[in-house]
Amino acid sequence: EAGVTQFPSHSVIEKGQTVTLRCDPISGHDNLYWYRRVMGKEIKFLLHFVKESKQDESGMPNNRFLAERTGGTYSTLKVQPAELEDSGVYFCASSQVSETSGRNEQFFGPGTRLTVL
Amino acid sequence: RKEVEQDPGPFNVPEGATVAFNCTYSNSASQSFFWYRQDCRKEPKLLMSVYSSGNEDGRFTAQLNRASQYISLLIRDSKLSDSATYLCVVNRWGGSNYKLTFGKGTLLTVNP
Repeated sequence: EAGVTQFPSHSVIEKGQTVTLRCDPISGHDNLYWYRRVMGKEIKFLLHFVKESKQDESGMPNNRFLAERTGGTYSTLKVQPAELEDSGVYFCASSQVSETSGRNEQFFGPGTRLTVL
Repeated sequence: RKEVEQDPGPFNVPEGATVAFNCTYSNSASQSFFWYRQDCRKEPKLLMSVYSSGNEDGRFTAQLNRASQYISLLIRDSKLSDSATYLCVVNRWGGSNYKLTFGKGTLLTVNP
């Protein structure tokens, strides 16, 4: 079974430019999450989709970040305009909650390393 | 105070050693707990889920003390391949809240 995939693996852009990151979750997973790790800090939650709906976007830093999940399959995270402090590794994860146990184990993609110059 | 705090490390141990990592969490509403491992420049990979007082998987034992809000991970008979950063992760699930809160991680190096 294919895992979570992310594209691109690396992106280097200049301040003020726009970047769009893509995530393809594990097939059949309704829950999709975006996380970010900036240098020297812990991984932090950005937002959570259930199918195509935003369930929780409390971690989104500001309105320069826009996440979509049209059709409830893959998701995109757009940063416009990018700032220096947006540099970091953006991870996507997906999960399917067990109907019997309620357990929710999240599986992570390889991440997109974003550098804003 | 951070929501999840871990031993800062790093830990350097010889092959075959037993090593233990400690983690505390501040939110008593936290419901599920995980240990992930992360290799350098890779994604976090789920190592163990901890849903009750603890569980064991081969050389790895995780324990949970809800009263003390404390989680531990014990690795026995360390292998070179165990070298990685170990992340303590908690989830305050309930209703539709599934976001994970991560500790900063503890770096383990197992030496030959």
